[in-house]
This record gives sequence, C-alpha cells and structure tokens, in this order.
Amino acid sequence: GAGVSQSPSNKVTEKGKDVELRCDPISGHTALYWYRQSLGQGLEFLIYFQGNSAPDKSGLPSDRFSAERTGGSVSTLTIQRTQQEDSAVYLCASSFGGSGANEQFFGPGTRLTVL
Amino acid sequence: RKEVEQDPGPFNVPEGATVAFNCTYSNSASQSFFWYRQDCRKEPKLLMSVYSSGNEDGRFTAQLNRASQYISLLIRDSKLSDSATYLCVVNDPGNYQLIWGAGTKLIIKP
Repeated sequence: GAGVSQSPSNKVTEKGKDVELRCDPISGHTALYWYRQSLGQGLEFLIYFQGNSAPDKSGLPSDRFSAERTGGSVSTLTIQRTQQEDSAVYLCASSFGGSGANEQFFGPGTRLTVL
Repeated sequence: RKEVEQDPGPFNVPEGATVAFNCTYSNSASQSFFWYRQDCRKEPKLLMSVYSSGNEDGRFTAQLNRASQYISLLIRDSKLSDSATYLCVVNDPGNYQLIWGAGTKLIIKP
C-alpha cells in the first residue's frame, strides 16, 4: 500500500519568504508527527497531531512555525519569514492509534534550503 | 541526563564480524522499544521492535533489559549494506510520543 508522502521533495527559498510543506500520511493512521533534522544531527520533534487536534506543539521553534491537519489526513507545516537556520530536512511520520507507543512510518522528507 | 542515550560511534567493523551496541533510557514506565535504521540522506525506517523476551530477525537480535533500562542490538555476519545510523527509540508514556536517540553510526569495511 501507499506509504507516507511529502511534497515538495526539495525547496529552495530566499530568506524572509514563507514556505508550506505538505504531508500525506498512511490511510487510517490517526497520529501524525513532524520532525526536523539538520545535517548530521538527530531528529528534533516539532508537533504531533491526533486526528485534527494538536495536543503537543511544544517543539515548534518559534511563532513563525505553524501546522494544521484537515480531515484527519493531510497536514501542512508553514514557516513564515524563513531564516537561514530553518534550513534542514523536514520529516513527517504517521502511526496507527494515539497511544504514542506504536511504530512510526516516515515520508521521504522535504529538504529546505533558505538562501 | 538525556532520555535516550546512544554511543554516537562511528563503529568501524570488518565485513563478516559481529557488532553490538546498547542504548539506555531514563523512563522506567516506557513500554515500547524500537530500533530504526537511517541511511545517509534518507528517512528512518523501522528495523525491528524490541520485545520483553528478546527477538531475532535473521542476522539481527534485539534484547531488552528492564532492570538496567537498556536495549541492545546485535548484528551477526555484518554486510557492507548494514552501514547506516541505528536509532534507538522508546515511547514516552506521559506525552504520547516516541523519544529518539541521536543514533549510532556503523561503518562496515570490506
């Protein structure tokens, strides 16, 4: 079956521009996670959705970052007024159920470069 | 103290050798444990879940030690294709999340 998909795969933008990243989770997965990974670093948790609700936004680095999920499916992560330090790979993962104890399945990521 | 700790490596191992690495976790209430592998510039992929009784999948064996709060991964007869970063993952019961270790880098040399 189809896995997690993300678009775009690569995004190059200029400092100060807004960007929108999209994640399409595995069908039937109610939990959705956004992470960020800088080169050579570990995963940095950003936000978690259970259905359309985001019980945990604690990882969002600043108020320039926001995310939403509609219809319990597709999610978008928006970064406003991008900065060079926002350059990273943004990974989306989904899992079945909301316990947080199930394995997560990742999309291929969006590589964001802010010039 | 980090919630999930791993030796970052790199572990440089000759092809055909056996290699093992551990991961420690801080929350004794954690109940789900996983090993993921991440290839360079790729997304993490589930390698195996770790069960209380230990489990084996081909050349890979995972063990859980609840008393000492660590999990281990053993790779036998290592292949060049095993070169990757191995991520230790533990659930956080209070926050409905998985907590990710920073990874152990493994390099298999011919």
